[in-house]
Amino acid sequence: DAGVTQSPTHLIKTRGQHVTLRCSPISGHKSVSWYQQVLGQGPQFIFQYYEKEERGRGNFPDRFSARQFPNYSSELNVNALLLGDSALYLCASSLEGIDKNIQYFGAGTRLSVL
Amino acid sequence: KQEVTQIPAALSVPEGENLVLNCSFTDSAIYNLQWFRQDPGKGLTSLLLIQSSQREQTSGRLNASLDKSSGRSTLYIAASQPGDSATYLCAVNGGSTLGRLYFGRGTQLTVWP
Repeated sequence: DAGVTQSPTHLIKTRGQHVTLRCSPISGHKSVSWYQQVLGQGPQFIFQYYEKEERGRGNFPDRFSARQFPNYSSELNVNALLLGDSALYLCASSLEGIDKNIQYFGAGTRLSVL
Repeated sequence: KQEVTQIPAALSVPEGENLVLNCSFTDSAIYNLQWFRQDPGKGLTSLLLIQSSQREQTSGRLNASLDKSSGRSTLYIAASQPGDSATYLCAVNGGSTLGRLYFGRGTQLTVWP
């Protein structure tokens, strides 16, 4: 069975541009969460979606938005990119709400903002 | 706000040693705690999940313990191997906000032959 898949694997953008990152959860998983990991730090929570509804949002500006589709895949959008947005963006899926179940992470999308 | 601290930040040991990695968290109102492994430039691999009602979990050479009241968890790695070299991350679920993982900065482990 396929694990959590993320695309693209790497991305280079310039300041002010917009980016869309994609995530496909493990088959049967209805919960998707997004995390940002800056080099040398632990991942920081951005969003969680469950059954296509937002269940939680971390301390990130409104330039960050996300959505979940009927097939439970998800997109993370970042507008007006800043140099500080350069990071590894991780997607995780789980069977139900995050409160009980193991989080399975994808390999991430490495975003570089120049 | 939940804060997670991992000690040590880095560890370098010869092959065969038994290791203990430490994790502490400030809010004991957690649902579970998860240990992850991260290889350079890669995503996270879940190693062990301990529910708040449990004291420990074991998988092969790995054993994780949880003392929720004192806000501590340890990951014990027996008979370390060079293939164990990676960054180990501790994450707690719950605390002040339901439904998100709070991560430490990780312990970077190097096991040399």
